[in-house]
Amino acid sequence: EPEVTQTPSHQVTQMGQEVILRCVPISNHLYFYWYRQILGQKVEFLVSFYNNEISEKSEIFDDQFSVERPDGSNFTLKIRSTKLEDSAMYFCASSEVRGDEQFFGPGTRLTVL
Amino acid sequence: GESVGLHLPTLSVQEGDNSIINCAYSNSASDYFIWYKQESGKGPQFIIDIRSNMDKRQGQRVTVLLNKTVKHLSLQIAATQPGDSAVYFCAENTNSGYALNFGKGTSLLVTP
Repeated sequence: EPEVTQTPSHQVTQMGQEVILRCVPISNHLYFYWYRQILGQKVEFLVSFYNNEISEKSEIFDDQFSVERPDGSNFTLKIRSTKLEDSAMYFCASSEVRGDEQFFGPGTRLTVL
Repeated sequence: GESVGLHLPTLSVQEGDNSIINCAYSNSASDYFIWYKQESGKGPQFIIDIRSNMDKRQGQRVTVLLNKTVKHLSLQIAATQPGDSAVYFCAENTNSGYALNFGKGTSLLVTP
């Protein structure tokens, strides 16, 4: 069964450093998403991406964040200058149709020291 | 602001019993609802969904009920098994929207 994959599974970084989280969405899906989950809290939407541009973003997704689809298979989330409060699980998701089931990856645990 | 929320943060049931997890939503424009299961250290896993033109939908051992009048959603798990132990999230969206709005989650613990 096709699935969303994410790398790395765990990323540790120093405050102020840049990180890139990587995702490979399901191959025939056209809509891509990033969510985050701070430990013990609910899953929060960050951004959606369709047709090589951001289609929607939340208040969390400020100028420190960016997304890119550098090739036909990868979808990345970059945090330019990490802060302590960026520590969370980051989930990538994809869907075939807008407003339909979103399939989630296993997540990347980001720890900012 | 508008939000999706859960009535109970934790639920403990005996193996073999039925479980009911509840969710309230406040956005009257929401027309698509999903239940996700999240096991420790893993991403949300789709369980079942329902659109606003339906009141009930059944899957394998799971049933989702939607009451649009009171903006309430529930997940029923029949014959709960130890493998059902996880955190369950409801999420809502609109057909024209992109973002899923998640509730806070209910932790289901199945005891033998």
